[in-house]
Amino acid sequence: QVQLQESGPGLVKPSQTLSLTCTVSGGSIRSGSYYWSWSRQPAGKGLEWIGRIYTSEDTNYNPSLKSRVTISVDTSKNQFSLKLSSVTAADTAVYYCAGDSVYDSSGVWGQGSLVTVSS
Amino acid sequence: EIVLTQSPATLSLSPGERATLSCRASQSVNSYLAWYQQKPGQAPRLLIYDASNRATGIPARFSGSGSGTDFTLTISSLESEDFAVYYCQQRSNWPTTFGGGTKVEIK
Repeated sequence: QVQLQESGPGLVKPSQTLSLTCTVSGGSIRSGSYYWSWSRQPAGKGLEWIGRIYTSEDTNYNPSLKSRVTISVDTSKNQFSLKLSSVTAADTAVYYCAGDSVYDSSGVWGQGSLVTVSS
Repeated sequence: EIVLTQSPATLSLSPGERATLSCRASQSVNSYLAWYQQKPGQAPRLLIYDASNRATGIPARFSGSGSGTDFTLTISSLESEDFAVYYCQQRSNWPTTFGGGTKVEIK
């Protein structure tokens, strides 16, 4: 079973770009068995799906965030990444990466990474 | 976008009691629905996938049922570690969406 771990800055200034990386272990990111996705959760609130990548050419984003989001994959490092531009305080949240099975509705999640947007 | 509505928002029960949680979809998701458990400070943990399949290591007291638009997560006899927030998730249609959650609290 794959395992995932998020990493990146815990503090980002308003109007800047939030960048997070998810490292996949226990399997290859090129296996074709997973969609690699990002979700987030503001403190005390529910979960919001951000987007996912299957291959470099196959991405889907939440329409509410699409204009600011880029998800990419680095197969040489077995990692995938999230970039969210023009952040505001409303983007403060715990960000989770996940591997969503292509065969069924199961998924494997990382531990989460808290990102605070503040000057 | 498919909207998932979970009810009730809060369920107050005692250990040993049966918990029944509902998730209703705004349109059919077939059986492509998962249930997650989340405790404070932790990531969501997969309980049920494809509406009724228990994930690896999940106790038999957790069961899922339903298809189409109406789904149920049942905890047959609550243990102390089951008091948490539960979310349903659909990946039948993009974008993936989550329900608002049901908090199961100790009565």
